[in-house]
Amino acid sequence: QTVVTQEPSFSVSPGGTVTLTCGLSSGSVSTSYYPSWYQQTPGQAPRTLIYSTNTRSSGVPDRFSGSILGNKAALTITGAQADDECDYYCVLYIGSGVWVFGGGTKLTVL
Amino acid sequence: QVQLQESGPGLVKPSQTLSLTCTVSGGSISSGGYYWSWIRQHPGKGLEWIGYIYYSGTTYYNPSLKSRVTISVDTSKNQFSLKLGSVTAADTAVYYCARNPLHDYGDLDVWGQGTTVTVSS
Repeated sequence: QTVVTQEPSFSVSPGGTVTLTCGLSSGSVSTSYYPSWYQQTPGQAPRTLIYSTNTRSSGVPDRFSGSILGNKAALTITGAQADDECDYYCVLYIGSGVWVFGGGTKLTVL
Repeated sequence: QVQLQESGPGLVKPSQTLSLTCTVSGGSISSGGYYWSWIRQHPGKGLEWIGYIYYSGTTYYNPSLKSRVTISVDTSKNQFSLKLGSVTAADTAVYYCARNPLHDYGDLDVWGQGTTVTVSS
């Protein structure tokens, strides 16, 4: 069974830069996994930030960027703001039409 | 502007079938170009992809749920539906429907607000 790993929690200072990662329990993440990132505030539906590794979804500010760093996918947030404090999920395409979410990262801005 | 709205019973008894519908407004499912997805979130937990469907009826399911899940589409009503059989308390979750542009892998560009389903006797 494929397990997608994310840091359970992370903190960043206001105005700072943070990189969240998305990995595989076994193997390396590449662009072939079309890593995508979602942001979810409490009580709301998620929204897509980044899809297919590094494409920003419509309306997403360029403070958010996606990449492959080493053997993981990465979401980098620059100029962190108070309202960036929420949950972030990645998802990977593992083939045959199947997508697997990571467990999510709770980001604290303080 | 396309909007999605989930509907269905908020309470389902164990061993029964959970049935939800997602109604699409502001756009037509039959025009193609999109997959239509179901995703759930257990209380206080992360997201889980259940499966998705194309307007033609082609479906893809989470292997861990495949034996219990059916996703179908009704283009005449501009709706797609989720059925999950033999439910247990572990199926208690918020269920979301979402739209995925066909060639934008991973972009769920429109989401429903979500509907809470509780499995309990």
